[in-house]
Amino acid sequence: ILNVEQSPQSLHVQEGDSTNFTCSFPSSNFYALHWYRWETAKSPEALFVMTLNGDEKKKGRISATLNTKEGYSYLYIKGSQPEDSATYLCAFFTGGGNKLTFGTGTQLKVEL
Amino acid sequence: EAGVAQSPRYKIIEKRQSVAFWCNPISGHATLYWYQQILGQGPKLLIQFQNNGVVDDSQLPKDRFSAERLKGVDSTLKIQPAKLEDSAVYLCASSFTQGHEQYFGPGTRLTVT
Repeated sequence: ILNVEQSPQSLHVQEGDSTNFTCSFPSSNFYALHWYRWETAKSPEALFVMTLNGDEKKKGRISATLNTKEGYSYLYIKGSQPEDSATYLCAFFTGGGNKLTFGTGTQLKVEL
Repeated sequence: EAGVAQSPRYKIIEKRQSVAFWCNPISGHATLYWYQQILGQGPKLLIQFQNNGVVDDSQLPKDRFSAERLKGVDSTLKIQPAKLEDSAVYLCASSFTQGHEQYFGPGTRLTVT
């Protein structure tokens, strides 16, 4: 059974704060690491698909890094806005298994 | 391009009743997935179809859950009879084929009382 862990479980920040979350995953048999944003009552939305050790990806104020050797990925949000409030999920993909294993998510609330 | 559609969005039933969920994937996507997300946990894969064949149903509680994708397009997931612990969000996702990026529907929130 693959273990994908995310921390913190939840986070409350003020508008304008920068924040980051961690996703830990098995370092063996790595194929890809996915990040999703899931707003309440909406569909989970793919943010990044990361495949190479040392990958850094950016989308607006959100960026992510990947370390496959030690089995972790960081997601950063710069200058948080209320619309960033959502649950952020990471999912580990093993090519051989053809299956996404999700972490429990980090629930972010950005307050005015 | 239309996204993954699911219905109903919300359902409340009593334990021991039956319920069915429907999913329409993105046109042309061969792979369809059903996930169960219990509060406080990450989504868990219940079943994966490639066209109308089952690829993985290892985590589907087959004594009460069933799923089909008869024509390789739409899919239904059924629970019969429901238990309290089945309260969850049921997400459907599709991808062009196995291993490709998955696109999710909005989910069905099931409450079993």
